[in-house]
Amino acid sequence: AQRVTQPEKLLSVFKGAPVELKCNYSYSGSPELFWYVQYSRQRLQLLLRHISRESIKGFTADLNKGETSFHLKKPFAQEEDSAMYYCALILGGYNKLIFGAGTRLAVHP
Amino acid sequence: DAGVIQSPRHEVTEMGQEVTLRCKPISGHDYLFWYRQTMMRGLELLIYFNNNVPIDDSGMPEDRFSAKMPNASFSTLKIQPSEPRDSAVYFCASSYGVGTGSHEQYFGPGTRLTVT
Repeated sequence: AQRVTQPEKLLSVFKGAPVELKCNYSYSGSPELFWYVQYSRQRLQLLLRHISRESIKGFTADLNKGETSFHLKKPFAQEEDSAMYYCALILGGYNKLIFGAGTRLAVHP
Repeated sequence: DAGVIQSPRHEVTEMGQEVTLRCKPISGHDYLFWYRQTMMRGLELLIYFNNNVPIDDSGMPEDRFSAKMPNASFSTLKIQPSEPRDSAVYFCASSYGVGTGSHEQYFGPGTRLTVT
């Protein structure tokens, strides 16, 4: 079955430290993966998608098909990065998003 | 565009009462999704529509839950009768179709439901 796993419920770091939010997926086809972010009292919004190969707010994520991972990274965390982060998988040919359980990132001053 | 609109933003009701949540998707989007968010289970897809037709309702927890989309600009999620375990934040999202290659879903602000 298709599944997205985010092993950490909470990741706590200090400002300026590197951040890596882990995401592993289970899907036999060609996956399309996303990271969504939910800041406090704001809507869930798309942060980045693997097909775009873009860097948003200093975050990057590389799809590793061998390890079935799509970890989100940022070299220097900022306090404004504190939020809930969801990794999501969309099945090929469909619009159905499967979300991971989410990781809360807390960046301390 | 105001984005996806949901109402009410907060709902407090007593067990056994009927609850109706409303959603207005972004104009032109042909997919609409209902999600439920809880601390224990995270974000769960309940049901989604394409061109007003329900495509996949496998996430609807039980018969007490029903969803409709009478037209392209309006959808409802109804719980009857409500139970305390239904307490959660319910999100509506919309997107363009598969053919556009986008797949980005735009989320509403959510409705926080508390059933006492």
